[in-house]
Amino acid sequence: EPEVTQTPSHQVTQMGQEVILRCVPISNHLYFYWYRQILGQKVEFLVSFYNNEISEKSEIFDDQFSVERPDGSNFTLKIRSTKLEDSAMYFCASGAGVGGYTFGSGTRLTVV
Amino acid sequence: SQQGEEDPQALSIQEGENATMNCSYKTSINNLQWYRQNSGRGLVHLILIRSNEREKHSGRLRVTLDTSKKSSSLLITASRAADTASYFCATDAGKAAGNKLTFGGGTRVLVKP
Repeated sequence: EPEVTQTPSHQVTQMGQEVILRCVPISNHLYFYWYRQILGQKVEFLVSFYNNEISEKSEIFDDQFSVERPDGSNFTLKIRSTKLEDSAMYFCASGAGVGGYTFGSGTRLTVV
Repeated sequence: SQQGEEDPQALSIQEGENATMNCSYKTSINNLQWYRQNSGRGLVHLILIRSNEREKHSGRLRVTLDTSKKSSSLLITASRAADTASYFCATDAGKAAGNKLTFGGGTRVLVKP
């Protein structure tokens, strides 16, 4: 069964550093998403991406964040100048536009 | 309460028993989805029910949707220890809302052998 692949599975970074989280969505999917889950809390929507541009973003997704689909297969989330409160599981998801979504297994980001 | 709130927050049952959890939401939806998450792991899509459907089955899972009450339930029959996980409902308000999912806080289910 097709999978959404996320790398790395765990990233530890110093506060103030930039991180790039990578995702390879399912190849024929057109809609891409990033969500995050702070430990013990809800899964929160960050951003959706369609047709090579952001279609919607949440209040969380401020200027510190950016997304890119650099080469037609990868989908990246960049966090500039990380803060302690950015520590969370970050999930990538892709969908065909109808039906359910396929989530990756997540990247656990720890900011120290 | 917020969009997609599950009830109860935690559930402990014996293997073989049924587990029922509920989800309430506030806005109109295109569909509602249930996901499972094992501790510290990713989200696994279980089942999707569209707004014009009232009940759906998949294996040992049964989902109902009542759009007049803005609520859904997930029933796991004949539970197994491997069903121990957190279960989340997520609402999809459709293309106009970017097809994004709004998740509830989850129900933690413990199935004791």
